[in-house]
Amino acid sequence: DAKTTQPTSMDCAEGRAANLPCNHSTISGNEYVYWYRQIHSQGPQYIIHGLKNNETNEMASLIITEDRKSSTLILPHATLRDTAVYYCIVSLSLRGGSNYKLTFGKGTLLTVNP
Amino acid sequence: DTGVSQDPRHKITKRGQNVTFRCDPISEHNRLYWYRQTLGQGPEFLTYFQNEAQLEKSRLLSDRFSAERPKGSFSTLEIQRTEQGDSAMYLCASSLGMGHTDTQYFGPGTRLTVL
Repeated sequence: DAKTTQPTSMDCAEGRAANLPCNHSTISGNEYVYWYRQIHSQGPQYIIHGLKNNETNEMASLIITEDRKSSTLILPHATLRDTAVYYCIVSLSLRGGSNYKLTFGKGTLLTVNP
Repeated sequence: DTGVSQDPRHKITKRGQNVTFRCDPISEHNRLYWYRQTLGQGPEFLTYFQNEAQLEKSRLLSDRFSAERPKGSFSTLEIQRTEQGDSAMYLCASSLGMGHTDTQYFGPGTRLTVL
């Protein structure tokens, strides 16, 4: 699986948009970009995933660059409860290979301030 | 609650004792995964089941570790002769195992402390 690079930490003001970047320059054509987050002492929570098109759900939006070498997770209106470690992961699709293992890095600690 | 559940949530044991953790996946999810997370690190893959078959084991899973999923539903992870280095959060995840992508959903984890 491709390696990802994320900033160690970021701050965001409550109510503002949080934009979390991720570089995955070695991503291959059949690898998806997944985002999870982990609030302190809890299990990772799935947020969103995408292949090449931008995606949006009730939690966040995912913007993937045209060359797919980087992406940005956007939390449109951050709240204090969004304070967590955010992980960007690239993983093979089910058809492209065995999608059985997620390789987590250290992620980005997002702190939402009042 | 229809999510992944794990039991116990916390376990404190003395070095050398055996411990067993249980994971109940989301109903009808064919795949089940175990991960381990130490302080300050992201989760690391340990092993994976497709129904009752254990298809992959990480090199992190020493001979003291064994995982089962006897009926393709719940799974257990046993650690024999625990060591202080086994102290970690043990996470279970499950996925449907179908379609273009196969999103894994995690449980709350079992935090193990070995004294």
